[in-house]
Amino acid sequence: GESVGLHLPTLSVQEGDNSIINCAYSNSASDYFIWYKQESGKGPQFIIDIRSNMDKRQGQRVTVLLNKTVKHLSLQIAATQPGDSAVYFCAETRGSYIPTFGRGTSLIVHP
Amino acid sequence: DTAVSQTPKYLVTQMGNDKSIKCEQNLGHDTMYWYKQDSKKFLKIMFSYNNKELIINETVPNRFSPKSPDKAHLNLHINSLELGDSAVYFCASRTTTGNTIYFGEGSWLTVV
Repeated sequence: GESVGLHLPTLSVQEGDNSIINCAYSNSASDYFIWYKQESGKGPQFIIDIRSNMDKRQGQRVTVLLNKTVKHLSLQIAATQPGDSAVYFCAETRGSYIPTFGRGTSLIVHP
Repeated sequence: DTAVSQTPKYLVTQMGNDKSIKCEQNLGHDTMYWYKQDSKKFLKIMFSYNNKELIINETVPNRFSPKSPDKAHLNLHINSLELGDSAVYFCASRTTTGNTIYFGEGSWLTVV
């Protein structure tokens, strides 16, 4: 079946470094992708999204890149801060279908 | 002014008991969900409700039953709780035409 997965379960970075979290998806029909951040003890929160007709989208300190050729998207966090420590999920969907979530990457930021 | 709120946040109960988790959203959304998150953080969809009608049930045991008195509420009832039901349960919502799902803070269920 179709699935969404992540390359790295845990990513450790130093404060101030840039972080890159990767995600692979297999449903070529997916047309909308979302990144969520889940802090300890809380529910997932929307960070940024991107539609399949785009390659890149920037937010505040975050950038999502989409490579439809290899079915890959990434979340880049600039100048990573301790408050960025969390589990990050990518999700993909098509139309009004329920988004499918990947397994999550734990980002650990060392001061 | 919490958008999606669920109660209780923590619940410890014995095997065989029946329990409920309540969820309310004040976003005016017409689609609500229940997700289960296991110990490895995997988020799995359990139910989806649109305008009070169940539209997807992802092969969840019938011990689990969602109940929606109105489109702002989606409660989860669990009968005959089992050890394997221990997990974090998230309520969520979105508009029918939107793609972004808004999650509640989660309900930590521990079955002993």
